[in-house]
Amino acid sequence: GAVVSQHPSWVICKSGTSVKIECRSLDFQATTMFWYRQFPKQSLMLMATSNEGSKATYEQGVEKDKFLINHASLTLSTLTVTSAHPEDSSFYICSARIPGTETYEQYFGPGTRLTVT
Amino acid sequence: AQKVTQAQTEISVVEKEDVTLDCVYETRDTTYYLFWYKQPPSGELVFLIRRNSFDEQNEISGRYSWNFQKSTSSFNFTITASQVVDSAVYFCALSEADLYNQGGKLIFGQGTELSVKP
Repeated sequence: GAVVSQHPSWVICKSGTSVKIECRSLDFQATTMFWYRQFPKQSLMLMATSNEGSKATYEQGVEKDKFLINHASLTLSTLTVTSAHPEDSSFYICSARIPGTETYEQYFGPGTRLTVT
Repeated sequence: AQKVTQAQTEISVVEKEDVTLDCVYETRDTTYYLFWYKQPPSGELVFLIRRNSFDEQNEISGRYSWNFQKSTSSFNFTITASQVVDSAVYFCALSEADLYNQGGKLIFGQGTELSVKP
């Protein structure tokens, strides 16, 4: 159980275009989802916390107008990178928590590798 | 502020050697959780262990063992008799307890890249 999927697994887009990444909890409902970004040879950095039915909470330094997050249902959160540029090329990973648990364990998706040309 | 430090950026060992990955954390909370994740070249994070701040018992799972010491704010990870398949990046992470169950953000260390050579 507790499977999280991401789609697409990789995407190449042209500079200036927008790309949407989906994060789904397949066998549980997730009131809270997290979006991370990982540059090559670096750690995972939290970008934002996505709560179902409310606005996402962005970490300091993350442009909320550039990285649009929508958590419209209990099983789906989307991250849209608007007007992508080559410096946005990265590995984007989402995670989800099972509500009501006290262990704070997050279940991670397989990641989406974005390349902006 | 929360912080996780993995001072070892890269470690290279020969198969069957034991190896310890260090993790030091900082937090002002008395209730928190510590995690270790493995990230193979495919990129997908693999959960290894979770520990809460009130449980200082060491844990052993097969060739893996963890040593949690609150006195030194450390949560070290040892692989016994390493194998080539253990080659990956290993991340230590910290999550502070959230009374309202809305937070629980994970703060990751910089990661340690382990290379096990045959």
